[in-house]
Amino acid sequence: EADIYQTPRYLVIGTGKKITLECSQTMGHDKMYWYQQDPGMELHLIHYSYGVNSTEKGDLSSESTVSRIRTEHFPLTLESARPSHTSQYLCASSPQGGYSEAFFGQGTRLTVV
Amino acid sequence: KNEVEQSPQNLTAQEGEFITINCSYSVGISALHWLQQHPGGGIVSLFMLSSGKKKHGRLIATINIQEKHSSLHITASHPRDSAVYICAVRPIRGGARQLTFGSGTQLTVLP
Repeated sequence: EADIYQTPRYLVIGTGKKITLECSQTMGHDKMYWYQQDPGMELHLIHYSYGVNSTEKGDLSSESTVSRIRTEHFPLTLESARPSHTSQYLCASSPQGGYSEAFFGQGTRLTVV
Repeated sequence: KNEVEQSPQNLTAQEGEFITINCSYSVGISALHWLQQHPGGGIVSLFMLSSGKKKHGRLIATINIQEKHSSLHITASHPRDSAVYICAVRPIRGGARQLTFGSGTQLTVLP
């Protein structure tokens, strides 16, 4: 079973609030990813990291920011939540190497009211 | 046009039926993943393959690299198989993108 955890699973928050979505993995993976998924739609990469102190933006533009201070943590932050940020956010990790399996967290379903 | 196309988008089957979900892609890939996403949102990796065929329990995945096509088969389907099945490819030139996803196939298995 994959050891990658996201908290919270569900979050309903008011507009303008600052929120942080947590993602942790205990597999020692260097690569970590954040995906955004709207209902019935594809997953889109919004941030990725290849290791500590490495973060890059993904294919889909996002107002969120990420940090990678420790290998096992890859939190995502929204400084001022808006209803347009309502979505599901999925975290994933994989080991180094081109031929490696990705492991996904359970996801955080965010609703901004 | 999406680089990864899945069909059908929705599939309803009776318990016990043999199910096939198809995935076609348009880019060169190093690997293809089949993922399962349950209503709660969590994703489980079912298969990762780059050639041939893999089998795990009632699930079988095949890939034809020349035709850029993969299929996921479920034998003796069960209501607990109801989920969204997602095909994802790892483009050879994808770099940091890691995976390109299809839009998923919603499978409902009725008892």
